Amino acid sequence: TQLLEQSPQFLSIQEGENLTVYCNSSSVFSSLQWYRQEPGEGPVLLVTVVTGGEVKKLKRLTFQFGDARKDSSLHITAAQPGDTGLYLCAGAEYGNKLVFGAGTILRVKS
Amino acid sequence: NAGVTQTPKFRVLKTGQSMTLLCAQDMNHEYMYWYRQDPGMGLRLIHYSVGEGTTAKGEVPDGYNVSRLKKQNFLLGLESAAPSQTSVYFCASSYWASGGAPGLGEQFFGPGTRLTVL
Repeated sequence: TQLLEQSPQFLSIQEGENLTVYCNSSSVFSSLQWYRQEPGEGPVLLVTVVTGGEVKKLKRLTFQFGDARKDSSLHITAAQPGDTGLYLCAGAEYGNKLVFGAGTILRVKS
Repeated sequence: NAGVTQTPKFRVLKTGQSMTLLCAQDMNHEYMYWYRQDPGMGLRLIHYSVGEGTTAKGEVPDGYNVSRLKKQNFLLGLESAAPSQTSVYFCASSYWASGGAPGLGEQFFGPGTRLTVL
């Protein structure tokens, strides 16, 4: 099973600050998905990146897939309290399963 | 559409008891999954199914069994519960995305079942 390391594990910032979450592996994935999870709920997909070097923007969120398809990052610009939650990256193995990172807990204080 | 539903939402068991968690999806997805989520460990795959009548082991299958008799349902069983199985359990369903970038599609998760084993 391929492993995904996510960093940092926990991030507490003030409203308006920028932040980056990293997702790294020594293995290649066919695609990488980012999910956001709120307390008491299941994760919800934010984005899927497929092509090495791909960059996707979702309002204030920017997702990047590494050229070698082994790593990814999530950058949030001008964080807001509504961004608070658990962010999970998940790599698609060549098949029909995902392997999840341990997650980054983000807290944005107003 | 209800999406993915799970029953029950909460359950407390004593060591050695058995129970079945039910997952249902109404999106006609082929793939279904059972995960457990523990603090600091993300989501770990227990078992999964790529179609009706099929099941396969995931990363942490010991102590669990599954069945997929109908396409829309995926059952997770604990034959003899242990305190180490205290966790939040999530079911998810997915599909194979065709088109320009074929691959595993979005996973749709249920709301979770919080299980405590005393």
